[in-house]
Amino acid sequence: AQSVAQPEDQVNVAEGNPLTVKCTYSVSGNPYLFWYVQYPNRGLQFLLKYITGDNLVKGSYGFEAEFNKSQTSFHLKKPSALVSDSALYFCAVRELNQGGKLIFGQGTELSVKP
Amino acid sequence: DVKVTQSSRYLVKRTGEKVFLECVQDMDHENMFWYRQDPGLGLRLIYFSYDVKMKEKGDIPEGYSVSREKKERFSLILESASTNQTSMYLCASSLGTNINEAFFGQGTRLTVV
Repeated sequence: AQSVAQPEDQVNVAEGNPLTVKCTYSVSGNPYLFWYVQYPNRGLQFLLKYITGDNLVKGSYGFEAEFNKSQTSFHLKKPSALVSDSALYFCAVRELNQGGKLIFGQGTELSVKP
Repeated sequence: DVKVTQSSRYLVKRTGEKVFLECVQDMDHENMFWYRQDPGLGLRLIYFSYDVKMKEKGDIPEGYSVSREKKERFSLILESASTNQTSMYLCASSLGTNINEAFFGQGTRLTVV
């Protein structure tokens, strides 16, 4: 069965510093991987996805993520964090079969301090 | 822009009541999903549907059922609400192929008393 793990419940970063939010996955075949962000009292917003091709994918708000097949990871990164990046971040993976499940990790709370 | 609309932002229901949560999307998406979100547990899939009248169980379907009579509408039903179903419920939709991202509604905060 597919699964996603986000090993850190919380990540604290100073504004201007680089940030990384970690994600590892487990699927039986090739994964489709996604990152979402949730601001307080809001629904989830799509940030970026990996389907195939270049291992470094770029998304919204300056975020990017690196797919590493050998380590089964898909870490979210940003070169310079903003206070407004503070939010809850979710990694997700999708099965390959038609109508497959979209499975989420438990989420990582990112806090960026001035 | 894709819009996924959940009928209520906040609901308070009594134990044993039958509860209906409604979700409508306006982009002709084939797939629709219901999740519940609890602190420390992330989003857990309750049910999903890949076509009208089709449904598949997610990871936590017990105590829930769903209905999809029209493509744009996906309803989550709590047959007999219990206090452990107090949670945030999120609906999402996506185009048919698995490479497409899902779009989420604002969520319904359900409290069962």
